Amino acid sequence: EDKVVQSPLSLVVHEGDTVTLNCSYEVTNFRSLLWYKQEKKAPTFLFMLTSSGIEKKSGRLSSILDKKELFSILNITATQTGDSAIYLCEVNFGNEKLTFGTGTRLTIIP
Amino acid sequence: EAGVTQFPSHSVIEKGQTVTLRCDPISGHDNLYWYRRVMGKEIKFLLHFVKESKQDESGMPNNRFLAERTGGTYSTLKVQPAELEDSGVYFCASSRGRGGLQFFGPGTRLTVL
Repeated sequence: EDKVVQSPLSLVVHEGDTVTLNCSYEVTNFRSLLWYKQEKKAPTFLFMLTSSGIEKKSGRLSSILDKKELFSILNITATQTGDSAIYLCEVNFGNEKLTFGTGTRLTIIP
Repeated sequence: EAGVTQFPSHSVIEKGQTVTLRCDPISGHDNLYWYRRVMGKEIKFLLHFVKESKQDESGMPNNRFLAERTGGTYSTLKVQPAELEDSGVYFCASSRGRGGLQFFGPGTRLTVL
């Protein structure tokens, strides 16, 4: 059965800390993995990963994919209160199927 | 616990036809959301139900789209008449409380020819 698991479910840290969010998957015919940030309404796209070992970076956020071990991590350095959100992982796989993880709720304490 | 399910997984219709998408949320989840991804990777909010009431429908693109959630359980999203630009993937998500983690369904891919 195809599945996407995110961990932790919830994370509370202080401003300035670095966090690592994990997304593990078990799917057939993997195509790509996407990270989103969801604050109020629709999730906002962050990264799309298709190849192992190539880090995608945007400011304080970075992400990398390991297709051998079937997971991706999303790193946020020097966290700010504006980083508080739910972070979603989505995996695209065979036959145009899509699966979202349950998300990680990140709370940054000032 | 069964997850959010959506039906159908893929629908191909001609311009001008009507299509109805269905979403079954996780049992006990009062909050139900509809989203769509039309192009690229961005996901757009359509509307939010709390039980059978429309809490926020600010994302509904026009009056060709009608969402219902009679009885506060499953929801339907009807597009009538469908236009070419309606093609995309329509996601449904549910959560127990407002602001809680949303559990996403697998999406319905709509293709309008």
